[in-house]
Amino acid sequence: GENVEQHPSTLSVQEGDSAVIKCTYSDSASNYFPWYKQELGKGPQLIIDIRSNVGEKKDQRIAVTLNKTAKHFSLHITETQPEDSAVYFCAASKGFSGGYNKLIFGAGTRLAVHP
Amino acid sequence: DSGVTQTPKHLITATGQRVTLRCSPRSGDLSVYWYQQSLDQGLQFLIQYYNGEERAKGNILERFSAQQFPDLHSELNLSSLELGDSALYFCASSLEGEFLNEQFFGPGTRLTVL
Repeated sequence: GENVEQHPSTLSVQEGDSAVIKCTYSDSASNYFPWYKQELGKGPQLIIDIRSNVGEKKDQRIAVTLNKTAKHFSLHITETQPEDSAVYFCAASKGFSGGYNKLIFGAGTRLAVHP
Repeated sequence: DSGVTQTPKHLITATGQRVTLRCSPRSGDLSVYWYQQSLDQGLQFLIQYYNGEERAKGNILERFSAQQFPDLHSELNLSSLELGDSALYFCASSLEGEFLNEQFFGPGTRLTVL
């Protein structure tokens, strides 16, 4: 069945360090991989995504890499800041056009950035 | 602000009752997805509507139903509520064009069943 595993479940770093969160998906037909940040009391916020025809994507301090062969994708946050503290979720979908794009989520990583 | 609105923000009710959660998608988005977030199950897909039609079902209980109206807003109906239905319920909307399938989440409705 469809499954996304996410590690670690908690991550504690010092301000300025890098943070890496890893996910593995089971369905080889998955082709769209978004990452969401969820702050306390709020809905998940899309922060970056990658499609299966791309190996890496960067947006300022955030980058995502995808290894289709191994069915792994990772979120990299550099120069972490206290405001990066939140729960991060990876997800996967098959990305069909016309509306068949349910997201399968990982269990989440609670990131704490200490000043 | 994602542009997706959900009402109410909080809902407290008793077992056996029925509630309706409402979602308004971003302007122009055709799809609405409903997800349930609980401590033990994480974020789980419930159901999706695209331009008024049901497109996909996840692990949605038979006591739960949804619909999408002509103005594209959606409602999730939960009936015969049980303690275990207490959770955060999110809707997300998406344009659903090719390579335009990003989902944007609303702020959620926190349901507490006593």
